[in-house]
Amino acid sequence: NAGVTQTPKFQVLKTGQSMTLQCAQDMNHEYMSWYRQDPGMGLRLIHYSVGAGITDQGEVPNGYNVSRSTTEDFPLRLLSAAPSQTSVYFCASSHGHPNTEAFFGQGTRLTVV
Amino acid sequence: GESVGLHLPTLSVQEGDNSIINCAYSNSASDYFIWYKQESGKGPQFIIDIRSNMDKRQGQRVTVLLNKTVKHLSLQIAATQPGDSAVYFCAETMNRDDKIIFGKGTRLHILP
Repeated sequence: NAGVTQTPKFQVLKTGQSMTLQCAQDMNHEYMSWYRQDPGMGLRLIHYSVGAGITDQGEVPNGYNVSRSTTEDFPLRLLSAAPSQTSVYFCASSHGHPNTEAFFGQGTRLTVV
Repeated sequence: GESVGLHLPTLSVQEGDNSIINCAYSNSASDYFIWYKQESGKGPQFIIDIRSNMDKRQGQRVTVLLNKTVKHLSLQIAATQPGDSAVYFCAETMNRDDKIIFGKGTRLHILP
């Protein structure tokens, strides 16, 4: 049982480049979410999805897009990378509403230069 | 606005002693609270949760206490071990909301 898998683990981008962070879960969880973690800031919610075909914005959605075409996958797209998006990104999933245990991936460390 | 915070950014505890990590929340409508543990280089890992209709919940070596009167949450770790070294986050959410709000985290440092 792989749980939540994020790829890549590390990425360096130049300002203005675009890329997609992948997230996949094999637990048939309805709820998936993306967070960014910055020093001293805790985890901040970027986007989330309560099921396939449904997405919504979190606290810090600007500069990111998401889609949820399947239950398993929830990719996060950076449209035009900026140094302010340098962070560690975590994907999480949970069964049903987030009022249940959430499982996190191992994270993607992104540096924008 | 909604916020979750922690009183101490770093907590140093002697191995074998009990640890208490505190958290204050400001949204009185929050009805579900979670504690997560994050080891270096890893994603957060669920430790224990509690719903607002309870004031105490126990797990294996961990206890969460909820005081709704003062909007305070705490995590107690019994007989702290070196493997407990990590950053601990509290988080809150409301049943009618789809967002989980995390606090900034407390680093637990175990002294030999």
